[in-house]
Amino acid sequence: DAGVIQSPRHEVTEMGQEVTLRCKPISGHDYLFWYRQTMMRGLELLIYFNNNVPIDDSGMPEDRFSAKMPNASFSTLKIQPSEPRDSAVYFCASKDRGLGNTEAFFGQGTRLTVV
Amino acid sequence: GNSVTQMEGPVTLSEEAFLTINCTYTATGYPSLFWYVQYPGEGLQLLLKATKADDKGSNKGFEATYRKETTSFHLEKGSVQVSDSAVYFCAHSGYSTLTFGKGTMLLVSP
Repeated sequence: DAGVIQSPRHEVTEMGQEVTLRCKPISGHDYLFWYRQTMMRGLELLIYFNNNVPIDDSGMPEDRFSAKMPNASFSTLKIQPSEPRDSAVYFCASKDRGLGNTEAFFGQGTRLTVV
Repeated sequence: GNSVTQMEGPVTLSEEAFLTINCTYTATGYPSLFWYVQYPGEGLQLLLKATKADDKGSNKGFEATYRKETTSFHLEKGSVQVSDSAVYFCAHSGYSTLTFGKGTMLLVSP
């Protein structure tokens, strides 16, 4: 398996524009997570899905952020409108339910810069 | 609630020095424990894990033992290399979620 695939790797956009980040989880994994990483706040969980259903979105910072998972192999995180304070690295991770408490596998991340 | 606390960095060491990065956790039930490593410009990679009390996870010379009585999972390495310079994250996993510490940066100089 190619692992968790995120696109784009880098995104530079102007304030006020819509930004869409994409993620393809590992095939067969039941859980998908979106994280945001900044120097100030570290690694923050934004939202996670189980079997394509959003379970906990309490980490989504505000209504400008939305996430969807239309099928088991694709998820998007959208920011509309974007602001400079949204600049961060956004990671997607997926996890197998497994027979116990299994680890999550991370993508390479999308580095977002809002100017 | 669930949380992970790890020592603040950066930790600065000379090559071949001994490394300890402390990690303690609070959790309900019996979580699995993990150490992830993040090299510059990359995503997080699993370094090692332990799934029950007294288990020892090990990989690439790193070790950590699941101590239920002290709710700790400290990371150790006997002799660090320059290539170990990275950010290390302690984490615990329940049935579905994964809770991370804030990360500890390790800088190893030759």
